[in-house]
Amino acid sequence: QAVLTQPASLSASPGASASLTCTLRSGVNVDFYRVYWYQQKPGSPPQYLLRYKSDSDNQQGSGVPSRFSGSKDASANAGILLISGLQSEDEADYYCLIWHSGAWVFGGGTKLTVL
Amino acid sequence: QVQLVQSGAELKRPGASVKVSCKASGYTFATFGISWVRQAPGQGLEWMGWTSTSNGDTNYAQNLQGRVTMTTDTSTTTAYMELRSLRSDDTAVYYCARARDGYNGGIWDYWGQGTLVTVSS
Repeated sequence: QAVLTQPASLSASPGASASLTCTLRSGVNVDFYRVYWYQQKPGSPPQYLLRYKSDSDNQQGSGVPSRFSGSKDASANAGILLISGLQSEDEADYYCLIWHSGAWVFGGGTKLTVL
Repeated sequence: QVQLVQSGAELKRPGASVKVSCKASGYTFATFGISWVRQAPGQGLEWMGWTSTSNGDTNYAQNLQGRVTMTTDTSTTTAYMELRSLRSDDTAVYYCARARDGYNGGIWDYWGQGTLVTVSS
């Protein structure tokens, strides 16, 4: 079972909110991890969005709009990227990332479609 | 402005080696490490490793141990990633990224444009 699992795709309408989940494998407790989020558009390298561990331990990337925010769902053992006020330019692949057992691990990515 | 400029696309035979360069500018090179990430066609991101630009320390992904070497040259502010014994599943776009907070910090705030390495006979 992969360490991080993301839904392959998600669709949402312009102006709506999208909640992208990153579920940690059973036994890997999200409470202990900083979850990083990256956005990647076709043909471009990834771009750092934000990091979230808790409300007191989080970091927004430089120039990243405040409508991108992070949170956790402890009951689901998941990190969450919330994008509010969706815009067409938010259509992209989104990857979560954690430091686990001495290595960086990416989730498989979620393709967000805004339509 | 901060820039990471990578070397051009490569076509390699199985079993060969490839060395990708990443030229940094616009900041003090030895202040931040460099991480390498690759992406197979149509696939997700895979972390390959990290190298310090100040003391040569490295941290490699376990699945690449023994095949990958990451180095830096502070005189030319260039980082290098060499991958040996290439296989077809090494075909990917290889990215370098500035690691803002050290080997265990996941903020990679500037990225190179990517280098496509194709492994084919």
